[in-house]
Amino acid sequence: NAGVMQNPRHLVRRRGQEARLRCSPMKGHSHVYWYRQLPEEGLKFMVYLQKENIIDESGMPKERFSAEFPKEGPSILRIQQVVRGDSAAYFCASSPRQGASKEQFFGPGTRLTVL
Amino acid sequence: QQQVKQSPQSLIVQKGGISIINCAYENTAFDYFPWYQQFPGKGPALLIAIRPDVSEKKEGRFTISFNKSAKQFSLHIMDSQPGDSATYFCAARNDNFNKFYFGSGTKLNVKP
Repeated sequence: NAGVMQNPRHLVRRRGQEARLRCSPMKGHSHVYWYRQLPEEGLKFMVYLQKENIIDESGMPKERFSAEFPKEGPSILRIQQVVRGDSAAYFCASSPRQGASKEQFFGPGTRLTVL
Repeated sequence: QQQVKQSPQSLIVQKGGISIINCAYENTAFDYFPWYQQFPGKGPALLIAIRPDVSEKKEGRFTISFNKSAKQFSLHIMDSQPGDSATYFCAARNDNFNKFYFGSGTKLNVKP
């Protein structure tokens, strides 16, 4: 059973470009969470999605950031017009459908560097 | 406002020693407190977790001590090994909401 998969693992963008980060949850998991980790800091919650629904986006910046989890395919975190301050590691986590411990399993992360 | 405060920021321990990392939280509605271990270039992995109805939980060399009245919890690593060298994060969550609040992390270095 493959774990949470994220790609790309490393992404380099110039200021003003768009960054697309993908997350495939564990098999059977329909809940996806995105977190951001700045250097030498802990993870900060960004958004929680279920299939085709955004449940909680209270940690997501209001501008330039968006997330989706379509019926088919991976969850996507999109950052438009990236700035240097967006440089960070972005982690995706997933948890099971229902009736479970609600434990979150983390992917290996995407390290975004904005030049 | 930081919901979970973690200390120390870094820790050096000799092989065989005890590593202790502390966390304090603000929100009394939190009811789940995990510790995560993260190696460089990897995602966090769950190490051990506790709920506030118990004061201690032990799994192998890892123990969580929980003090509900003080709103504090700590991770103890007994007989620390070089392979334990990693960054450790405490976290907290309320079961009614799915997001975790993480501490800022402790970088542990176990010297051989």
